[in-house]
Amino acid sequence: QVQLQESGPGLLKPSQTLSLTCTVSAGSMNRGSYYWNWVRQPAGRRLEWIGRVFTDGRANYNPSLQSRVTMSLDTSKNHLSLKLTSVTAADTAVYFCARAENVLIPPADLHYYMDVWGKGTTVTVSS
Amino acid sequence: EIVMTQSPLSLPVTPGEPASISCRSSQSLLHKNGKNYLDWYVQKPGQSPQLLIYLGSSRASGVPDRFTGSGSGTDFTLKISRVEAEDVAIYYCMQALQTPLTFGGGTNVEIK
Repeated sequence: QVQLQESGPGLLKPSQTLSLTCTVSAGSMNRGSYYWNWVRQPAGRRLEWIGRVFTDGRANYNPSLQSRVTMSLDTSKNHLSLKLTSVTAADTAVYFCARAENVLIPPADLHYYMDVWGKGTTVTVSS
Repeated sequence: EIVMTQSPLSLPVTPGEPASISCRSSQSLLHKNGKNYLDWYVQKPGQSPQLLIYLGSSRASGVPDRFTGSGSGTDFTLKISRVEAEDVAIYYCMQALQTPLTFGGGTNVEIK
């Protein structure tokens, strides 16, 4: 059964760049029916979608973060990565990676839902 | 951006009794294909979110049939027919019609 595991530094200083990796095990990232997401959850607040990347390299980002975020896939290593520049205390959160699978709605529409999630990694931004 | 609003914020329930969570969207989630692009996720204490319901009413694999999703357009409901102790969690609705994907604020289901 596919599993996702986030990793990266737990503590950053303001203005630094956050780099996280999500490792996919027991499964391949290189299927066109998936896309790969990052979602974060500040303490006591709602889930916030950061963005997604498709296996062909296309990416969509949340406009609130677009100027600072980059996501990429390395399918040879089964890795999904997230880079977030110029972090502030507002970026303190638990960060999750999640796979989105699709279901076909005939004749040709797709709906994606996030069916596999990592356990999350806590990132704290503090001076 | 589509804004998702859930109510109530907290829902104390007695085991064996039903529970109902409301989710409203600022824009219709009804796609031209006739499907509502609304999903429900559940986050149990100390865990990551898990898919519960997709396309408004389709249960994810392994989800008990006591969970039912309904609604269309801008108004949606998640119902638990008979709450069990293991259902203690925060329930989130999420719209998948357009990016950015957005979540509701969550409903904390707790046992009385």
